[in-house]
Amino acid sequence: IAGITQAPTSQILAAGRRMTLRCTQDMRHNAMYWYRQDLGLGLRLIHYSNTAGTTGKGEVPDGYSVSRANTDDFPLTLASAVPSQTSVYFCASSEGPGNFLSGYTFGSGTRLTVV
Amino acid sequence: DQQVKQNSPSLSVQEGRISILNCDYTNSMFDYFLWYKKYPAEGPTFLISISSIKDKNEDGRFTVFLNKSAKHLSLHIVPSQPGDSAVYFCAASREPAGTYKYIFGTGTRLKVLA
Repeated sequence: IAGITQAPTSQILAAGRRMTLRCTQDMRHNAMYWYRQDLGLGLRLIHYSNTAGTTGKGEVPDGYSVSRANTDDFPLTLASAVPSQTSVYFCASSEGPGNFLSGYTFGSGTRLTVV
Repeated sequence: DQQVKQNSPSLSVQEGRISILNCDYTNSMFDYFLWYKKYPAEGPTFLISISSIKDKNEDGRFTVFLNKSAKHLSLHIVPSQPGDSAVYFCAASREPAGTYKYIFGTGTRLKVLA
């Protein structure tokens, strides 16, 4: 089934540890995104990539990094996790130019708890 | 600074009646607007969209209305069904073609009572 796969589904992480959240899509979408969802704050954009080889910062990029070595994969790395990064993380993708109104396809999310 | 606001955190509606979910935005440069539905433990799913050149878009039971002068959009669900119970997010984009970044509201939890 075409879509986005996120791994792990959930994780408890000690503060200070490094963690990479994985995201893979099989739809050949050009653009990919990472959002975090927090109660009362909705979905906030962390980083995005318009096409393989390019990345950009979203609303809340601090403490996170991304890479886009190919079209399908868009990992999100927390270099040194802090408790405020406890959240549900969603990866998303979209087709690209001219598709503003078709929306994103979201993954099922990764629930991360930093203790 | 919340550019996209959903001021009602929750809404309860009787089955068969109309559900109206509201969204306000502050940036007059927003050109494209989307609504997403989210069930627990799942990712958001795209529901309906509208561009600023229109004031209404309809898809089955779902209609989105856009009032640019008031910087307000709303989602109408008629008739509401128990399966519509979910969290609804509105999202807006002000980026020119090529970046596709949407800013999301905080969500409204809709409960449709049987």
